[in-house]
Amino acid sequence: EVQLVESGGGLVQPGGSLKLSCAASGFTFSGSALHWVRQSSGKGLEWVGRIRSTSYNYAILYADSLEGRFTISRDDSKNMAYLQMNSLKTEDTAVYYCTRLLAGGDQTFEALDVWGKGTTVTVSS
Amino acid sequence: EIVLTQSPGTLSLSPGERATLSCRASQTVRSSYLAWYQQKPGQAPRLLIYGVSSRATAIPDRFSGSGSGTDFTLTISRLEPEDFAVYYCHQYGNSPRTFGGGTKVEIK
Repeated sequence: EVQLVESGGGLVQPGGSLKLSCAASGFTFSGSALHWVRQSSGKGLEWVGRIRSTSYNYAILYADSLEGRFTISRDDSKNMAYLQMNSLKTEDTAVYYCTRLLAGGDQTFEALDVWGKGTTVTVSS
Repeated sequence: EIVLTQSPGTLSLSPGERATLSCRASQTVRSSYLAWYQQKPGQAPRLLIYGVSSRATAIPDRFSGSGSGTDFTLTISRLEPEDFAVYYCHQYGNSPRTFGGGTKVEIK
């Protein structure tokens, strides 16, 4: 069974940091791009960024709105992806999902098929 | 950035009725890279339709997608009890990927 499981969410103060993890199983993770999407009550679903596979030199792209505060990485030996979030703001409060491209591919233009259940990040003092 | 506007915000229908959901883009969606997702409370989005009209694996044929350019439609031919949920459109042909604000299909 294809599965993505996020962890690492929690309550953090404004200006703080948090690192989310995404554990993948049931498909060839090393050949897959991995995306992060967040969902807040205020802004709905928002694409955060993605990291491509080794075939594309692990190319990373972020949403402009993040202003360089977030960093995506991956460890193919562990089938894991990560989202390091720094200088957190109250507007970063959301459920964070990791998700893969259709059929576990790494195309430039493809829909997102399998999603994790999400991990909740709350930024508040 | 492409803005996706979904309408109506809420659709109140009875089981067995037909649901028609609209998604309008602020500019042309490249090569019909448009998807639809279903989301129920406390769950992640579930892919229904990709490439405007292709059904994802295990999606029943009562779900269909159509459209081109800037106007897209998701149709549920006969609503089943499990279809009452929120539906989102998503364009993935232009960077950044964007999502619509959602249409809630509720039981009348």
